[in-house]
Amino acid sequence: EDKVVQSPLSLVVHEGDTVTLNCSYEVTNFRSLLWYKQEKKAPTFLFMLTSSGIEKKSGRLSSILDKKELFSILNITATQTGDSAVYLCAPRTTDSWGKLQFGAGTQVVVTP
Amino acid sequence: DVKVTQSSRYLVKRTGEKVFLECVQDMDHENMFWYRQDPGLGLRLIYFSYDVKMKEKGDIPEGYSVSREKKERFSLILESASTNQTSMYLCASSVLGVPETQYFGPGTRLLVL
Repeated sequence: EDKVVQSPLSLVVHEGDTVTLNCSYEVTNFRSLLWYKQEKKAPTFLFMLTSSGIEKKSGRLSSILDKKELFSILNITATQTGDSAVYLCAPRTTDSWGKLQFGAGTQVVVTP
Repeated sequence: DVKVTQSSRYLVKRTGEKVFLECVQDMDHENMFWYRQDPGLGLRLIYFSYDVKMKEKGDIPEGYSVSREKKERFSLILESASTNQTSMYLCASSVLGVPETQYFGPGTRLLVL
């Protein structure tokens, strides 16, 4: 059975701190892994990772995938209160329809 | 910008009622998805559709059905609502060529009494 585990479940940090979020997965026919940010409502797309060891960056956010050890990390540097959200990881298999298997998410709270 | 809209933000229904949740996207996307989100469980896929009148079961289809009569509209139907269907329901769409990059609607929080 496919499994996606995110850790920690939640964390509280001060503005300016760096956070590292973990996503480990066991899915059949893995193809790619996506990260989403969910604030009050709809998840919004952050990254899609397909290759091991290649870091993707977007501003203060970066992410990397390890297909051998079956995990991904999402880093947020110099955190701001606007980074407060639930961060979801979702591996995708090789099926044609883009079906995603979401983890339960990590809730990040950034305090001023 | 892709826009995915859902007919209601909040909905309160009684056990046994038939419930319709509507989702509309304006980007001509082929794929559409219905998820439910519960604390500690993440998003779980109920049904998805890759074309008009086509549908596929997701991981938790029991108690739900769907309808896709037009490309832009994907409806989720609870035939006889039960209290364990109280949840946040999220609709998403994606383009055929990049199906994994899904754009989400704002969600409908459904309470079944």
